[in-house]
Amino acid sequence: KAGVTQTPRYLIKTRGQQVTLSCSPISGHRSVSWYQQTPGQGLQFLFEYFSETQRNKGNFPGRFSGRQFSNSRSEMNVSTLELGDSALYLCASSFGGHSYNEQFFGPGTRLTVL
Amino acid sequence: EDKVVQSPLSLVVHEGDTVTLNCSYEVTNFRSLLWYKQEKKAPTFLFMLTSSGIEKKSGRLSSILDKKELFSILNITATQTGDSAVYLCAVGNNNDMRFGAGTRLTVKP
Repeated sequence: KAGVTQTPRYLIKTRGQQVTLSCSPISGHRSVSWYQQTPGQGLQFLFEYFSETQRNKGNFPGRFSGRQFSNSRSEMNVSTLELGDSALYLCASSFGGHSYNEQFFGPGTRLTVL
Repeated sequence: EDKVVQSPLSLVVHEGDTVTLNCSYEVTNFRSLLWYKQEKKAPTFLFMLTSSGIEKKSGRLSSILDKKELFSILNITATQTGDSAVYLCAVGNNNDMRFGAGTRLTVKP
């Protein structure tokens, strides 16, 4: 079974721009969660999508949004980028909800905001 | 406010030693506690615990949850250099998945 894939792997943007990250879950998994990982804050939950619906959202500003498609692939968008958005963005998929099943993480997208 | 606290933050041991990593939590509507290992890439799943007192074991690794005292431990016996990594504890409820800061384990030959 193919693992979770994320594209792109690396991204450099400037302040004020917007960015879209993509995540393809393991086949058959319906839940996709997004996380931001930084050295200072560690891993922080952004949001979870299940069957195309946002089920949960972490404590991030509205500049962070996402969506899930009918094939369970998910995209995350960050608008009006700030320097503090530089981080590793990880997505994880699970069969059920993220608190009910083990999650499988993708390799991440490293975003650098200049 | 919900929180997950791991200790110690870092640990250096020699091959063959046994280590115990700690995770305490204060999370409303607890659903599950998960342990992950993170090397220089994405976290990989180790254990998911939902019930108190039931030890989960995989090779040299084992973990147990105490829902009354709100903590979990991860034990690694006969450590090897390949065990060097950051070990993450995460606690999930119906709304959130909250991670601890991690314990950085270094195993020296």
